[in-house]
Amino acid sequence: GQSLEQPSEVTAVEGAIVQINCTYQTSGFYGLSWYQQHDGGAPTFLSYNALDGLEETGRFSSFLSRSDSYGYLLLQELQMKDSASYFCAVRPGYSTLTFGKGTMLLVSP
Amino acid sequence: NAGVTQTPKFQVLKTGQSMTLQCAQDMNHNSMYWYRQDPGMGLRLIYYSASEGTTDKGEVPNGYNVSRLNKREFSLRLESAAPSQTSVYFCASSPGHSTGGETQYFGPGTRLLVL
Repeated sequence: GQSLEQPSEVTAVEGAIVQINCTYQTSGFYGLSWYQQHDGGAPTFLSYNALDGLEETGRFSSFLSRSDSYGYLLLQELQMKDSASYFCAVRPGYSTLTFGKGTMLLVSP
Repeated sequence: NAGVTQTPKFQVLKTGQSMTLQCAQDMNHNSMYWYRQDPGMGLRLIYYSASEGTTDKGEVPNGYNVSRLNKREFSLRLESAAPSQTSVYFCASSPGHSTGGETQYFGPGTRLLVL
């Protein structure tokens, strides 16, 4: 099976940088995805890492270390609208995604 | 394009009643998924359909059935609802199962309360 660990809550102020970590255990591994979900809304895809290293998309970056079974999502220049839940999800081979329990990010003025 | 649509948005059922949740996508995606989301539990996969004509169980399939009606539509049926099935249900789709499954597009969700 698969298991993922991520912090339940992270707080930060506007303009700051925040990192949300995700560690995983899985029998097979093809990559790590990140999703954002605002309260009451649907999850939306943010990024995917299949290889080690950093992927950058605007203010958001995602990192993967396959040897450490570890990844993180980096959010820069935080804005109030970034307050949401963030989920990491592993793709264990040619199968579905397994989601973590999510990290609630609270951005304050 | 509407993306992924779900009906109904809200539903209240009594224990033992049945209902079908509908999902449709207009992105010509091959794969479709049904998840449930409970507080503090993240998203848990109920059933998925890798391609038209196939369905497979996910992590929490008990009490549910699915039908992949065609490439666009994937429905979820609760035959005899139980209070433990009170949850928010999300349908999702992705371009393919073996490639592109990491990028899933979600519908707005159905909020179900079973009394």
